[in-house]
Amino acid sequence: SQQGEEDPQALSIQEGENATMNCSYKTSINNLQWYRQNSGRGLVHLILIRSNEREKHSGRLRVTLDTSKKSSSLLITASRAADTASYFCATTRLSSYKLIFGSGTRLLVRP
Amino acid sequence: DVKVTQSSRYLVKRTGEKVFLECVQDMDHENMFWYRQDPGLGLRLIYFSYDVKMKEKGDIPEGYSVSREKKERFSLILESASTNQTSMYLCASSTAGGFQETQYFGPGTRLLVL
Repeated sequence: SQQGEEDPQALSIQEGENATMNCSYKTSINNLQWYRQNSGRGLVHLILIRSNEREKHSGRLRVTLDTSKKSSSLLITASRAADTASYFCATTRLSSYKLIFGSGTRLLVRP
Repeated sequence: DVKVTQSSRYLVKRTGEKVFLECVQDMDHENMFWYRQDPGLGLRLIYFSYDVKMKEKGDIPEGYSVSREKKERFSLILESASTNQTSMYLCASSTAGGFQETQYFGPGTRLLVL
């Protein structure tokens, strides 16, 4: 079964608004990563947060990790039309070295 | 910047054909991966390699084989293509440390098997 599940499955916002996506997982992890995929393209790594970290920033991105709730959130501030893409969380479990991807959130930023 | 390239963006093959998908990375990464991506199923790992001539099965290796003769190149082979192998195929690479580290993806190959 999938380790990471994103919520919502789809999100539509106006340019300039903030977008928040959530990821929940089932078992203890080593780290959690967020990737972006533009339509029909490969995945691009956005940010990696380790299990002993609670928050991380990169430009307009803010990622939080709550290991007690087994969840993470990705916040994109001041969204742009170019942020339109699918966003995936991926985790590595303590019991395995595999990277498990969720099914993604499709974000549409309307101009 | 890390660059991962895949030999084709789009490929159309017939059932029973042998299909080769090539992936090349230019960052001297030890690890390379092949995934397939299907709607509603996310990315699933087919095979990975942590060194030249070394390979490990992923979650869905049936119907596939791989080859890694050189460090920069990782090939995925569909021995006898079937319609249920129609999918988006993504190659990725990472430094030693395996799945713990960032994976860099190629642009993908969209394969249609008729």
